[in-house]
Amino acid sequence: AQRVTQPEKLLSVFKGAPVELKCNYSYSGSPELFWYVQYSRQRLQLLLRHISRESIKGFTADLNKGETSFHLKKPFAQEEDSAMYYCALGGSQGNLIFGKGTKLSVKP
Amino acid sequence: NAGVTQTPKFRILKIGQSMTLQCTQDMNHNYMYWYRQDPGMGLKLIYYSVGAGITDKGEVPNGYNVSRSTTEDFPLRLELAAPSQTSVYFCASSYTQTNTIYFGEGSWLTVV
Repeated sequence: AQRVTQPEKLLSVFKGAPVELKCNYSYSGSPELFWYVQYSRQRLQLLLRHISRESIKGFTADLNKGETSFHLKKPFAQEEDSAMYYCALGGSQGNLIFGKGTKLSVKP
Repeated sequence: NAGVTQTPKFRILKIGQSMTLQCTQDMNHNYMYWYRQDPGMGLKLIYYSVGAGITDKGEVPNGYNVSRSTTEDFPLRLELAAPSQTSVYFCASSYTQTNTIYFGEGSWLTVV
């Protein structure tokens, strides 16, 4: 079965602290993984995808096939990083299979 | 710079009423999707389309219908609204199966 698990509903950190949003997936085959972000009152937008290996807004994510994980990390959180973060898996139908999301709250 | 546009943004329906959520994109994308998001849950795929004239069911299609007569438009129809259809609906599109998916702003629907 194709599935994405984000174990934390809410993650609260202080500004300047490191942050890691967890994502685990279940997929037989070569997965295509994404992180989408939804800032307050804005639409969902792509943050990064594993095949591009980019660092966007200081965030990185490494695909670990052995642990079937794609955790999102940032060494120093900023207040503007507060948002809902969704991990997503490219499904066999060409759609995205989403996790339930993690709300990141960065306190001053 | 319109991207994916959904209307209406908010709607309250009575049980048994029908309505259509409109979705249009101006990026000439082949793929279009409808997702619903229930509180505390991830997005679930309702229907998708890989091109004009072609539609297919997603994970949660019951109670909905779609059509894709043009590349730009992908309306979602609710025939007999039920309280279980209270949700936030997102339309999305992508150029190909592996490209970035772009989302609309969402439509908040309440069925009472």
